[in-house]
Amino acid sequence: EPEVTQTPSHQVTQMGQEVILRCVPISNHLYFYWYRQILGQKVEFLVSFYNNEISEKSEIFDDQFSVERPDGSNFTLKIRSTKLEDSAMYFCASSGGRANSDTQYFGPGTRLTVL
Amino acid sequence: DAKTTQPNSMESNEEEPVHLPCNHSTISGTDYIHWYRQLPSQGPEYVIHGLTSNVNNRMASLAIAEDRKSSTLILHRATLRDAAVYYCILRDPQNNAGNMLTFGGGTRLMVKP
Repeated sequence: EPEVTQTPSHQVTQMGQEVILRCVPISNHLYFYWYRQILGQKVEFLVSFYNNEISEKSEIFDDQFSVERPDGSNFTLKIRSTKLEDSAMYFCASSGGRANSDTQYFGPGTRLTVL
Repeated sequence: DAKTTQPNSMESNEEEPVHLPCNHSTISGTDYIHWYRQLPSQGPEYVIHGLTSNVNNRMASLAIAEDRKSSTLILHRATLRDAAVYYCILRDPQNNAGNMLTFGGGTRLMVKP
């Protein structure tokens, strides 16, 4: 069964450093998403991406964040200058479209630790 | 998207049915009811969804009240692997440009052997 993959599984970085989290969505999917989950808290939507542009973003997704689909398979989340409060699990998801029945398929996540 | 209310936690015995409730009294006519679950240390996973009629799939059943103000996710025979946080999420594709899922706190299901 096709699945969303994410790399790395765990990223440790120093505060102020840039990080890029990588995702390979399911190959024929058109919509891509990033969510995050701070330890012990809810899963929070960050951004959705379709047709090479952002469809929607939350308040969390400020100027420090950016997304890109650099080629036909990868979908990346970049944090330019990490802060301690960016420490969280980051989940990538993809879906085939926006139909009512569309399921979002989530990856296993990247644990980001900012020191 | 309208708000949902779920119990914080529930317990079940292995191999017994589990009924996970969700209240959504402010549901709109175009809101679909989705259920996802999150196993420990994993990403969320789709379980089932519906609009008005009850739905069955290989994982679970979804019973939707006639007035649609509540729904119940039914696991017919809980296994230890079903221990997870279950999220009831309303999604209105007509008023959700980003197609986002809005997760609440969910119900933590504990399954006892």
